[in-house]
Amino acid sequence: GQQLNQSPQSMFIQEGEDVSMNCTSSSIFNTWLWYKQDPGEGPVLLIALYKAGELTSNGRLTAQFGTTRKDSFLNISASIPSDVGIYFCAGLGGNQFYFGTGTSLTVIP
Amino acid sequence: DAMVIQNPRYQVTQFGKPVTLSCSQTLNHNVMYWYQQKSSQAPKLLFHYYDKDFNNEADTPDNFQSRRPNTSFCFLDIRSPGLGDAAMYLCATSRYTSGRANSQETQYFGPGTRLLVL
Repeated sequence: GQQLNQSPQSMFIQEGEDVSMNCTSSSIFNTWLWYKQDPGEGPVLLIALYKAGELTSNGRLTAQFGTTRKDSFLNISASIPSDVGIYFCAGLGGNQFYFGTGTSLTVIP
Repeated sequence: DAMVIQNPRYQVTQFGKPVTLSCSQTLNHNVMYWYQQKSSQAPKLLFHYYDKDFNNEADTPDNFQSRRPNTSFCFLDIRSPGLGDAAMYLCATSRYTSGRANSQETQYFGPGTRLLVL
């Protein structure tokens, strides 16, 4: 089936640094979603993107819907320890929903 | 607040002993999903209900069954749990509107049930 590739697979950063991660697909999507999953919890929706080129912010998080509709990017500015977790992208097209492979983020105080 | 609720949060069962996990939602969404997630992996879809219509993924083992008695509740039954079934089980909901460019909308997840098989 469809696979969304996320990179990097894992990141170790110092508190206060900015973070960038991306998600790419071989197919186009109508909607891109970004979720964060804390250990032992379910994924929580961070940002939803509905239009190619769209740039949306949620606090220190900013995500973009790539103009080709085959990729999306998530940036976190001035990271803090509670940003630790796994970030998943997801793509929606028609009646299909696909998860990315995940990016594990560790923030070192 | 509208939400997706899973009970219990942690479940311990014995090898081969049937177990049922439950999910309820107050979002009034017409689609409910069950995912299995193993450590450091993305959630893997087991099956979903569109209203009362059950949709099984091709690679979901027969050991996993589901029931949706009404819009708000959905159950995951594992008939004979094996050691390999130990995982986090996630319930999610969404609204599906046929005829739109995006028939399926954003999925909202519950907190999950961690299953341990002894």
